[in-house]
Amino acid sequence: KAGVTQTPRYLIKTRGQQVTLSCSPISGHRSVSWYQQTPGQGLQFLFEYFSETQRNKGNFPGRFSGRQFSNSRSEMNVSTLELGDSALYLCASSLGTSGDSETQYFGPGTRLLVL
Amino acid sequence: AQSVAQPEDQVNVAEGNPLTVKCTYSVSGNPYLFWYVQYPNRGLQFLLKYITGDNLVKGSYGFEAEFNKSQTSFHLKKPSALVSDSALYFCAVRDGTGFQKLVFGTGTRLLVSP
Repeated sequence: KAGVTQTPRYLIKTRGQQVTLSCSPISGHRSVSWYQQTPGQGLQFLFEYFSETQRNKGNFPGRFSGRQFSNSRSEMNVSTLELGDSALYLCASSLGTSGDSETQYFGPGTRLLVL
Repeated sequence: AQSVAQPEDQVNVAEGNPLTVKCTYSVSGNPYLFWYVQYPNRGLQFLLKYITGDNLVKGSYGFEAEFNKSQTSFHLKKPSALVSDSALYFCAVRDGTGFQKLVFGTGTRLLVSP
């Protein structure tokens, strides 16, 4: 089975711009979660989508948004970029139906640099 | 709310020696515990998880972890370290009350010297 794929892998933007990141989960997985990884804050949960609905949400401002399509692919969008948004954005997929015992499988991440 | 602590920023061990990476957790319900490893410029790779049953869990690449309910710990271990084990290790927990988010520790960098 193919793993989780994320595009693009690298991105450079300037302050004030917006960006869209894409994640394709493992075939058959219906849950997609997004995380932000920075040296200072570590791994922080952004949100989780299951069957096109947001099921969980972290403590990020409204500039961070996401969506999921009927084929389980997910996108996250960051509007009005700030320097502090520079990070590795990780996507993880899981079946989404087995509760808290499920394993999440991670993609390689998208490294975003905001100048 | 659930939380995870990894008290060591870095662990140094010589190749061939046993290694331990520490993790303690706090949850209100039953804990579901995970270990992941991250190599440079890569995403996280799943190593092992504890759901229920035997307190000693075996995972990928010869790693194992011991669940200790009384000490609320889930330390990662390997009997004989390899230089290629050098990476960033994350412990994570879910509070088993139904589709909770996964909460990660701050990570421990493992350096295995030849």
